[in-house]
Amino acid sequence: DGGITQSPKYLFRKEGQNVTLSCEQNLNHDAMYWYRQDPGQGLRLIYYSQIVNDFQKGDIAEGYSVSREKKESFPLTVTSAQKNPTAFYLCASSLGPGLAGGRSGNEQFFGPGTRLTVL
Amino acid sequence: AQKITQTQPGMFVQEKEAVTLDCTYDTSDPSYGLFWYKQPSSGEMIFLIYQGSYDQQNATEGRYSLNFQKARKSANLVISASQLGDSAMYFCAIRAGNNRKLIWGLGTSLAVNP
Repeated sequence: DGGITQSPKYLFRKEGQNVTLSCEQNLNHDAMYWYRQDPGQGLRLIYYSQIVNDFQKGDIAEGYSVSREKKESFPLTVTSAQKNPTAFYLCASSLGPGLAGGRSGNEQFFGPGTRLTVL
Repeated sequence: AQKITQTQPGMFVQEKEAVTLDCTYDTSDPSYGLFWYKQPSSGEMIFLIYQGSYDQQNATEGRYSLNFQKARKSANLVISASQLGDSAMYFCAIRAGNNRKLIWGLGTSLAVNP
């Protein structure tokens, strides 16, 4: 079945440690995204990538890094520079950015998420 | 800049009744798309329905329909014949013009009562 997988589901990190969250898709989508969700908040974009070997910062990129070496994979590293990393992290993919207002929205499909807790 | 406002933090509905979840948006771009997603307690975001700004008709997908009022800049989600499994958070989002990003509202928590 086609879809997006994220691992692990739960992740615990000690302060000062870097940690990498995995995101893999087999939908043959060009675009991939990382979001952060805090309680009572909407989703905030961390990084996104429209094509292999290219990515752009989102609204809250500080303390995070990504790579896009393969079309299927878009791992997110939460570095020790991220001061408040405890959150729910969601990865998404889409065919492409799409044409806003057009008949096809090129909606984003999401993985099951990773809940990161800093101890 | 784009903005989404969802004014209902929480809603209750009886099973089998219809419910409307409000979403208003703000954008100066004439070309935009509006999305609704469902987030059950498991956390995964599930795409429900899409409305393009140039679409002549309101979008429908099964029990979901979108009441799109362009002049009012509103895109309310209507769920007909509510089911217990509809209990979840519901998010409205917008993507406008050349902007690749989705801008999200804060969501509405829906509880379906038996």
